[in-house]
Amino acid sequence: DAGVIQSPRHEVTEMGQEVTLRCKPISGHNSLFWYRQTMMRGLELLIYFNNNVPIDDSGMPEDRFSAKMPNASFSTLKIQPSEPRDSAVYFCASSFGLQGGGELFFGEGSRLTVL
Amino acid sequence: GENVEQHPSTLSVQEGDSAVIKCTYSDSASNYFPWYKQELGKRPQLIIDIRSNVGEKKDQRIAVTLNKTAKHFSLHITETQPEDSAVYLCAASIGTVANNLFFGTGTRLTVIP
Repeated sequence: DAGVIQSPRHEVTEMGQEVTLRCKPISGHNSLFWYRQTMMRGLELLIYFNNNVPIDDSGMPEDRFSAKMPNASFSTLKIQPSEPRDSAVYFCASSFGLQGGGELFFGEGSRLTVL
Repeated sequence: GENVEQHPSTLSVQEGDSAVIKCTYSDSASNYFPWYKQELGKRPQLIIDIRSNVGEKKDQRIAVTLNKTAKHFSLHITETQPEDSAVYLCAASIGTVANNLFFGTGTRLTVIP
């Protein structure tokens, strides 16, 4: 398996523009997570899905952020409109199962810069 | 929600020395405590984890200890090598949703050759 695949790896955009980040989890994993990493706040959980259903989106900072998982092999995180303070590395991660713990497999991340 | 604090934020050691990184958590219901290593510009990767039914776990030069009463857990790296230089992230999960991880802010470890 190629692991968790994220795109784009780098995105530079101007304030007010829409940003869409994409993630393909590892085949067979049924939990998917979106994290944001900054120097100041570290890794923050934004939202996670189990069997394509959003379970907890309490970490989503504002209504400008939305996430979808239309099927088991694809998820998107959208920011509209983007702001400079959204600049961060966004990681997608997947795992097998919510019960009993388990390793999170992270993608390489999408580095977002909002000018 | 859970709050995980990690110390120190940076740590420099001489090659061959030991390194210890400490984390505290707030929610006594947390029962799963993994440690991730993140090399510069790379993804976090799991290096070791511990569950609340054990107090210590070892894997070669790496060990993790857990004190449930005090709500803290630590990562110990012995005989450090330059390739151990990275950011180390501790995490804790609440209750049975073991994959709902709350991360510490990370420790940047530098091993000086």
